[in-house]
Amino acid sequence: NAGVTQTPKFRVLKTGQSMTLLCAQDMNHEYMYWYRQDPGMGLRLIHYSVGEGTTAKGEVPDGYNVSRLKKQNFLLGLESAAPSQTSVYFCASTPGWEGIGRGGRKSYNEQFFGPGTRLTVL
Amino acid sequence: GQSLEQPSEVTAVEGAIVQINCTYQTSGFYGLSWYQQHDGGAPTFLSYNGLDGLEETGRFSSFLSRSDSYGYLLLQELQMKDSASYFCAVRDRAAGNKLTFGGGTRVLVKP
Repeated sequence: NAGVTQTPKFRVLKTGQSMTLLCAQDMNHEYMYWYRQDPGMGLRLIHYSVGEGTTAKGEVPDGYNVSRLKKQNFLLGLESAAPSQTSVYFCASTPGWEGIGRGGRKSYNEQFFGPGTRLTVL
Repeated sequence: GQSLEQPSEVTAVEGAIVQINCTYQTSGFYGLSWYQQHDGGAPTFLSYNGLDGLEETGRFSSFLSRSDSYGYLLLQELQMKDSASYFCAVRDRAAGNKLTFGGGTRVLVKP
């Protein structure tokens, strides 16, 4: 399994340009997330999805859009890039739930991260 | 909303023990996670505490006190490869298993 992969690894944009970041996972995970990480800081949630065809806003959604047309892919779009969007973008996924005895289930705690996309907006 | 506080940097020598504290304020707490991130790398999961008490995984242990809104990560028998940033993250009760991360603690291990 490749796990979580992100495309591209690096990108330089000019202000006002648009682009799409692709996240793919081959673990059949239900939940997927997009985070941004600025230098010396923690990760902040941009958008997330709890299943194919669903998306929801995170902590810092402005300036970004997402789509989850297929379960294995989660796309992050920047319609008009700004210098403030210079950051490292991480995608993550998690099963959401795991089975336990007698047909029960409990929520799954670990998120699996992709290698990141380093984006610079000039 | 959620807010987390953890020290920005800790320095220790090989073989030592380091404790990274994390205090949080939250509107809907479900559990506390810890992630490790090496420079230029992706975060990787270390541990999760949903209930009060200590969770041990090899040289690393994590503790949670829900009544004190406090947790810590204990790194024992430090090795050079443990030099990294460590993040605590609160998982909230809302749908989606969302995480809110602290600012991270940079651990520098010296020979």
